[in-house]
Amino acid sequence: DGGITQSPKYLFRKEGQNVTLSCEQNLNHDAMYWYRQDPGQGLRLIYYSQIVNDFQKGDIAEGYSVSREKKESFPLTVTSAQKNPTAFYLCATLLRLGPGELFFGEGSRLTVL
Amino acid sequence: GQNIDQPTEMTATEGAIVQINCTYQTSGFNGLFWYQQHAGEAPTFLSYNVLDGLEEKGRFSSFLSRSKGYSYLLLKELQMKDSASYLCAVREGGDSWGKLQFGAGTQVVVTP
Repeated sequence: DGGITQSPKYLFRKEGQNVTLSCEQNLNHDAMYWYRQDPGQGLRLIYYSQIVNDFQKGDIAEGYSVSREKKESFPLTVTSAQKNPTAFYLCATLLRLGPGELFFGEGSRLTVL
Repeated sequence: GQNIDQPTEMTATEGAIVQINCTYQTSGFNGLFWYQQHAGEAPTFLSYNVLDGLEEKGRFSSFLSRSKGYSYLLLKELQMKDSASYLCAVREGGDSWGKLQFGAGTQVVVTP
């Protein structure tokens, strides 16, 4: 089945540690996105990539890094520089046909202890 | 800046109708989306409006007035499974179609 796979679903991290969240898609979509969701706030864009080997900062990129070496993969690293990393992280791909809606993965919940 | 407002929570009875309003003030406009999100799950696409008027899709309808910066999502014949958060999002255009500005979401609680 086509879809977006995020892993791990739950992750615990100690302060000062970097962690990497995986996002893999087999939808053959060119563009991929990382959003962060916090209680009482809308989703906020961290990074996005429209083609392989290229990516741009979103609204809240500080403390995060990404890579796009393959079309199918867009991992997100939460670095120790991110001051408040506890959140729900959503990866999405874009279907450019029709209205151009985002397709979301199931999300990864990161908790910093 | 961007500002997208929607009510925090709404409660309605099974079988009833609920209207979720969304107002926006954004630097550009290239479409408005509604997503449904059950707790702990991924948002799923419900509707899209780019021109003024009403779009109907089964039990769900969405309305847009660009001049007023206003949209609503109408849920008819409510079912228990409709209990979820409903997210309003505006696409401002520019270099990426996936750059959406999201509201905080409206939690709809459907009671028996």
